[in-house]
Formats: sequence, C-alpha cells, structure tokens
Amino acid sequence: AQSVAQPEDQVNVAEGNPLTVKCTYSVSGNPYLFWYVQYPNRGLQFLLKYITGDNLVKGSYGFEAEFNKSQTSFHLKKPSALVSDSALYFCAVRDSFSGGYNKLIFGAGTRLAVHP
Amino acid sequence: NAGVMQNPRHLVRRRGQEARLRCSPMKGHSHVYWYRQLPEEGLKFMVYLQKENIIDESGMPKERFSAEFPKEGPSILRIQQVVRGDSAAYFCASSRDMNTEAFFGQGTRLTVV
Repeated sequence: AQSVAQPEDQVNVAEGNPLTVKCTYSVSGNPYLFWYVQYPNRGLQFLLKYITGDNLVKGSYGFEAEFNKSQTSFHLKKPSALVSDSALYFCAVRDSFSGGYNKLIFGAGTRLAVHP
Repeated sequence: NAGVMQNPRHLVRRRGQEARLRCSPMKGHSHVYWYRQLPEEGLKFMVYLQKENIIDESGMPKERFSAEFPKEGPSILRIQQVVRGDSAAYFCASSRDMNTEAFFGQGTRLTVV
C-alpha cells in the first residue's frame, strides 16, 4: 500500500540551529514528493517538490529537501531555523495510480517548534 | 492574484442539518480537489473535479457527501444530515492542470453540535 510516514510528532530546535523534519514514503514507481507547511488557522502552503533531477531540492523560505531513493526518504532541512518557522509540516506523495493528477497521500504531520 | 478562496471559514451545524462548503479556485485553475483533515491527522483525499465533471471520487463517503464544480461559480462540497463525526477541517486545492502543483485554501472548519 502507498503511504507516507513522518516518524516525529514534534521537533524542537533552537533558533539559529539547523533543522530536519523526517519523511519516508512507500509508493509504486517513481515518486512525486511534496512538502507543505500549515500555519495556525491557515491553509497549507506549498514549500517544494521533487519529481526528477537533482536529489537536493530547494524551496521557499530557505527550505530544502533531500531525496534518497535507497532509503525511500525525503527529509526537509533548513541550515538555520527561525522562530517564525514554527508550524505544522506535511510531507506528501502523489498517488501512483492517480493518473498523474494531484491525488496526494499525506503524512500525519510534524509540529516544528523553534525556540528563541 | 488571489489564492484559493474557501467560505465560510467556520461553520457550525446541528446534527441532521446540511453543510455547504464553497471553494473558488485560483484564477486560471480548472482543477479542484477536496481534502478532509480530521483532528490530529493528516489530510485525506476526497474528490477531484474538473469543470462540470467528477474525475475521481474514491475518497468520498458513499452516503451523504456530494461535490460539484459547475461551469460557472465555485465548487461546492455538500454534506447532508451531518453527524458529529463529520466535524473536521475541509480543504480545497486547485491546480492549473493535472500535472502542476496544487495550491490550498485556508479551509473550512466544520463543527457539528
């Protein structure tokens, strides 16, 4: 079955330190992977995606993600965390059987807390 | 360019009433998706529509739920005879075509009392 796992419910980081939010996936064929961020009482905002090409994908707000095929992972990273990065982060993969449209399978989310 | 607009932002319904959730996609987008987020869970796909057509409704509950995207006007997600288990955040997303990334609205938070 296709799935996305975000093993950490919450990640705590000090401001200025690097952050990593983990994501692993299970999907048939080549994965189309996404990261979204959800701020309180707001919708999901697109951060970045991986379809093909370089394994390191750069996105919005200084975030990047590294695709690792052998480990079936797509971890979200940022070199220096900001307090304003505190939010709920979702990893998602496009359903391989969707026919190419945005039928996304989401992880349960990871709450990132950046402390001053 | 306005983003995906959903209204209302918050909706309270008594058990047995109908809930109507509206979604206006981004300008130039003709593909709409509805997702549901239950408390403490990730988003779950419900339905994918193009103008006047339902393409994939595999995530829709078999009863009480329906969706449409008419030629004119917003997409509507309708829940008839709501029950407490329908309480959730309902998100709409749109994309320009089926291969480009989807942009999400702010969601409608439905509370059934």
